[in-house]
Amino acid sequence: GNSVTQMEGPVTLSEEAFLTINCTYTATGYPSLFWYVQYPGEGLQLLLKATKADDKGSNKGFEATYRKETTSFHLEKGSVQVSDSAVYFCALNIQGAQKLVFGQGTRLTINP
Amino acid sequence: EAGVAQSPRYKIIEKRQSVAFWCNPISGHATLYWYQQILGQGPKLLIQFQNNGVVDDSQLPKDRFSAERLKGVDSTLKIQPAKLEDSAVYLCASSSNRGGETQYFGPGTRLLVL
Repeated sequence: GNSVTQMEGPVTLSEEAFLTINCTYTATGYPSLFWYVQYPGEGLQLLLKATKADDKGSNKGFEATYRKETTSFHLEKGSVQVSDSAVYFCALNIQGAQKLVFGQGTRLTINP
Repeated sequence: EAGVAQSPRYKIIEKRQSVAFWCNPISGHATLYWYQQILGQGPKLLIQFQNNGVVDDSQLPKDRFSAERLKGVDSTLKIQPAKLEDSAVYLCASSSNRGGETQYFGPGTRLLVL
């Protein structure tokens, strides 16, 4: 089946630290991959996406590279800010099935 | 461009009562989704509409949940009767194509069943 596994949270970092949130997937087809972010009290917002192998998605200083050989889509940011505190969800969308499958989410807290 | 609208934002009911949630997607978006997000978990798709037709409702508990999208625009999700385990955030999302690449989410309705 299709599934997404994210690293266990919560993750707590200091401001300006380097961030990595791991995401691996299992898919029967050729998925597109996404990172969504959920700020406190708000709905999910698309952070970045990649639609094929070796694509790199980027937005707001965050990056993730679609690695087909390791079935991974790890989220990285070089220097986090307090405002990045949120829950981050990795997701895949199988072309043809056309629905999002989410990971369990990783809660990130950045301390000043 | 206005985003996905949902109401109410919060709802508290007792078990065995009924409740309804409303969603208005982004204008022109043909595909509408309802997700259930239980605390500490990722969203789980309940039902997907393409215009006013159901594309996927395989994970909708049909004995108590129902949804409709009359006229292919806004949608209503109903639970009758509610159970304690239905406590969750109900998210509505829309996309421009059938299962289009990017889904845009509303703020959600937080339901507490006592």
